[in-house]
Amino acid sequence: DTGVSQDPRHKITKRGQNVTFRCDPISEHNRLYWYRQTLGQGPEFLTYFQNEAQLEKSRLLSDRFSAERPKGSFSTLEIQRTEQGDSAMYLCASSLAWDRVQETQYFGPGTRLLVL
Amino acid sequence: GQQLNQSPQSMFIQEGEDVSMNCTSSSIFNTWLWYKQDPGEGPVLLIALYKAGELTSNGRLTAQFGITRKDSFLNISASIPSDVGIYFCAGQLERGNTPLVFGKGTRLSVIA
Repeated sequence: DTGVSQDPRHKITKRGQNVTFRCDPISEHNRLYWYRQTLGQGPEFLTYFQNEAQLEKSRLLSDRFSAERPKGSFSTLEIQRTEQGDSAMYLCASSLAWDRVQETQYFGPGTRLLVL
Repeated sequence: GQQLNQSPQSMFIQEGEDVSMNCTSSSIFNTWLWYKQDPGEGPVLLIALYKAGELTSNGRLTAQFGITRKDSFLNISASIPSDVGIYFCAGQLERGNTPLVFGKGTRLSVIA
C-alpha cells in the first residue's frame, strides 16, 4: 500500500531562484491538497484540486506560486523568485471524495524548503 | 481566517501517565481530526470524528467530537516513549473534504 509521496524531501536554494516540488497522491484519490507549515505552527491550506481542476486557492498563494495537476494524478507546486519568507515545509495530502461520503486527507512526508 | 485554539501548547509527563489535550473553535465544524507529527515528517492521521457527540478509540487513544460542534478532545492512556511528538487537531467546516483548518499543536514529551 503506497502512501502519498513527495519529492524532493529537502531543497536548499538561493533567494530569487525558482523551485518545483512534486506530489504523487495515493492511487485513485481524486483530491489533492497543498499545505504550508512554518516552524511552531500547524499546516496552512494553499490550494486543492479535484482531478485536474484547481478548485480553491488560499490568499496565502501569491502570484509567485503556481500549482498544476495536468492529468489528475501527480501535482507540481512551483515557486518563482523565491524569498526567505518562503522557507517552510510544503505538505501534500490526498483524499478520495464524493458526495455525502466522509473521507479524510492523508499526508505525505513533506518537502522542506530553505531559502538562503 | 478560521482558527482552532489548541491546548496545552506543550506537556511533559512521566511514562505511564494519561494525557488529555483539547481544541476549541468559535465556529461550528462538521468534522474533527487528530494527527500526530514526528520531526521532519508529515502529519499521520490518528482519529477522525464525523458526528457531534461521537466518541472513538484507536488503541490507547480516545477522541470525542463535542456536542456543540465547536470542540474536541484527545486522550492518551498509559503513555509510552513513542508517544512523543506534536499532536494537531484539525477541522473541516463543511462535509466533503474542504480544506482542513489546523490548531497550533500540542508538543508531548514523555519522561521514561
